[in-house]
Amino acid sequence: NAGVTQTPKFRVLKTGQSMTLLCAQDMNHEYMYWYRQDPGMGLRLIHYSVGEGTTAKGEVPDGYNVSRLKKQNFLLGLESAAPSQTSVYFCASSQTGGNTEAFFGQGTRLTVV
Amino acid sequence: GENVEQHPSTLSVQEGDSAVIKCTYSDSASNYFPWYKQELGKGPQLIIDIRSNVGEKKDQRIAVTLNKTAKHFSLHITETQPEDSAVYFCAASYSNDYKLSFGAGTTVTVRA
Repeated sequence: NAGVTQTPKFRVLKTGQSMTLLCAQDMNHEYMYWYRQDPGMGLRLIHYSVGEGTTAKGEVPDGYNVSRLKKQNFLLGLESAAPSQTSVYFCASSQTGGNTEAFFGQGTRLTVV
Repeated sequence: GENVEQHPSTLSVQEGDSAVIKCTYSDSASNYFPWYKQELGKGPQLIIDIRSNVGEKKDQRIAVTLNKTAKHFSLHITETQPEDSAVYFCAASYSNDYKLSFGAGTTVTVRA
């Protein structure tokens, strides 16, 4: 039972480079989320999806794009990385949205130099 | 939108003592209040949650209390152990909401 799997676990990017973070869940959950975690700021929602083929903006969407072509996968893209995007990124999924348990991946530590 | 404030930001306790973390929320429509524990290098994991139709819930050494009138809820950990050292997040949401609103987190250190 893998749950929520994120790849990669670590990455260093140069300013202006692009990359895609992959999130996969095997629980058949409808809702998927991307958060970033910064010291003293908790978990801030970047983008989310309420089902296959849907995406929506969260609290801090600027500089990121997402896609959910398959129900089990949620991709987070950075088109032109900036040092302000240095953070730990977490993907999560839940069956019925914010009113039920969210299952988190182990995180991706991204450094932009 | 919902605003969740969490205090303290850091908490150091002697092994065997109790730890209390408090959160306040702004939206009176919120009715679901989970607590997540994040161990070093891992993602957050749900440890206990409470819904607005109850005032208190316990699970072994952890308990959560909810005061809807004052719009605050608290996590209580009794007989703390070294494995309780972690970052704890409170959160809030309401029915039909798509997301959780998280507090900023509390780093708990249990001293041996």
